[in-house]
Amino acid sequence: NAGVTQTPKFRVLKTGQSMTLLCAQDMNHEYMYWYRQDPGMGLRLIHYSVGEGTTAKGEVPDGYNVSRLKKQNFLLGLESAAPSQTSVYFCASRPTGISYEQYFGPGTRLTVT
Amino acid sequence: AQKVTQAQTEISVVEKEDVTLDCVYETRDTTYYLFWYKQPPSGELVFLIRRNSFDEQNEISGRYSWNFQKSTSSFNFTITASQVVDSAVYFCALSGIYSGAGSYQLTFGKGTKLSVIP
Repeated sequence: NAGVTQTPKFRVLKTGQSMTLLCAQDMNHEYMYWYRQDPGMGLRLIHYSVGEGTTAKGEVPDGYNVSRLKKQNFLLGLESAAPSQTSVYFCASRPTGISYEQYFGPGTRLTVT
Repeated sequence: AQKVTQAQTEISVVEKEDVTLDCVYETRDTTYYLFWYKQPPSGELVFLIRRNSFDEQNEISGRYSWNFQKSTSSFNFTITASQVVDSAVYFCALSGIYSGAGSYQLTFGKGTKLSVIP
């Protein structure tokens, strides 16, 4: 099992450009999440999905969109990147049920200039 | 609303010293889970432990131990005889049964950066 994978690992964008981050998991997990990590801020939830075809907003959703067309994939889109979106982005997944931890991907480091 | 506070931003210890990382949480849920994750300099997030709100037994795993006290809403993490490889950022996190309409969202603390000096 590859677990949770994220592509790309690094990306530099110019202000106003768009891009999509891909998260894939091969564990048949229902729940998937996108977080951003900024220095001194911990991880903050951007969007999440409780199953194929569903998405919902987290704590910091502005400027991002997501889609979950297939159960194994969760896409995070930036339509018009801003310098404030410079961050490390982590994807996570978990099975159904309260007693499970989230499994994290390796992260994507995004710089917006 | 849920909240996790890790008051220690950075800690430095000399190798072989013991160190305790503090975690205090707030939640209205009666059923919840607490977690610790480690983020080494390489950047990935490594799951360390999960503890549910009904189990206040302390847990020990090698040099790591965790003390859960519901009365003080704390879930502290102790590393005994620290090693250089323990240098990392450690995150405490909370998930309630009703978090985010059943999404089991994790609420993270801001992390404690531990530096173990040889």
